[in-house]
Amino acid sequence: SAVISQKPSRDICQRGTSLTIQCQVDSQVTMMFWYRQQPGQSLTLIATANQGSEATYESGFVIDKFPISRPNLTFSTLTVSNMSPEDSSIYLCSVVGQTYGYTFGSGTRLTVV
Amino acid sequence: EDQVTQSPEALRLQEGESSSLNCSYTVSGLRGLFWYRQDPGKGPEFLFTLYSAGEEKEKERLKATLTKKESFLHITAPKPEDSATYLCAVTHSGYALNFGKGTSLLVTP
Repeated sequence: SAVISQKPSRDICQRGTSLTIQCQVDSQVTMMFWYRQQPGQSLTLIATANQGSEATYESGFVIDKFPISRPNLTFSTLTVSNMSPEDSSIYLCSVVGQTYGYTFGSGTRLTVV
Repeated sequence: EDQVTQSPEALRLQEGESSSLNCSYTVSGLRGLFWYRQDPGKGPEFLFTLYSAGEEKEKERLKATLTKKESFLHITAPKPEDSATYLCAVTHSGYALNFGKGTSLLVTP
């Protein structure tokens, strides 16, 4: 399976600010996804990161709030913009490759104060 | 719309006490059912993928089975290190996963 490096692993941020989370994969992958896991809840898909084009967002998530970039086949970023305490969650990067299934990064634990 | 329901929400077992976790699903055109293990502060760790009814897969003390409406994760003679949250997910599109809320398992010595 792929090895995913997700940074930062955790952060505490002031409301109204933005945080960019990075996801680096050790090999080229077919698809990259960003998920959110709110406290005590399961994982919810935010968007599919498309290489070289705009991300595909799920219902309830918008580009202005969660801009995503994917400049190549091994790297993506998720920005959480204009944060409020409701954005406190774990954010997870996930990838799918041609020879392996869905693999997840270790996550970014975000606390907004 | 895909729906995934896991039960029980929490389960406490004595070491060696076998049990099963349930994942019932509603999806149009199942392309795969996945089981993951998640430890606190970590991302989900892949366990199994099942594709068709009747399929079974095993790994150490874990065995996953699939019917047309549900999947079971059987845990045989669990150990304390099996304590974790077990997540079930499905996909109908072949790419994005739709997760259940998970079963939190605690195995005591």
